[in-house]
Amino acid sequence: GEDVEQSLFLSVREGDSSVINCTYTDSSSTYLYWYKQEPGAGLQLLTYIFSNMDMKQDQRLTVLLNKKDKHLSLRIADTQTGDSAIYFCAESHGAGKSTFGDGTTLTVKP
Amino acid sequence: KAGVTQTPRYLIKTRGQQVTLSCSPISGHRSVSWYQQTPGQGLQFLFEYFSETQRNKGNFPGRFSGRQFSNSRSEMNVSTLELGDSALYLCASYDPGRQETQYFGPGTRLLVL
Repeated sequence: GEDVEQSLFLSVREGDSSVINCTYTDSSSTYLYWYKQEPGAGLQLLTYIFSNMDMKQDQRLTVLLNKKDKHLSLRIADTQTGDSAIYFCAESHGAGKSTFGDGTTLTVKP
Repeated sequence: KAGVTQTPRYLIKTRGQQVTLSCSPISGHRSVSWYQQTPGQGLQFLFEYFSETQRNKGNFPGRFSGRQFSNSRSEMNVSTLELGDSALYLCASYDPGRQETQYFGPGTRLLVL
């Protein structure tokens, strides 16, 4: 089946690290994504990881992939108030179709 | 490059009417996908078009349809609107010849009264 699960809420202090976790079910997914959505806006692609990678770092963002457990995480270093948003994990099934989690609402407190 | 654009951004319709939404992909992207986002169901895949052909379809009734033009622009149509069709409709594009990374537009917010 196709299912992606994430915790719904995360609250951190400004300057701390945030870690958002996700589990997925499709072991054949070639790409896994993290998107950010701010109020009233569309989805902004933050980063992605190819299924043959374990880790990817992009400035303040670190993605870890555990294929055995089908677990994906996104770490945001030095979290800022501007990082407050909803973060979606998604897995690709090919032919333009992705399955998304329900999103994790990140609240950053000053 | 310009991003994915969607028109209109906001729309109010009444039950029973039909609606057409438009999406212009990033230049060079020949695949366009449509998603529906609602608070209750989250993000759900509607369909995908590539080179004017529907390649993939989600679990939506036949009232939801789409098409793609030779310039890769896409439209989706919803006929006989229901209250439950109120949602944010998102369009995404990617270039199948490069990598499977979809870029999203800002969405069209549809309210059905």
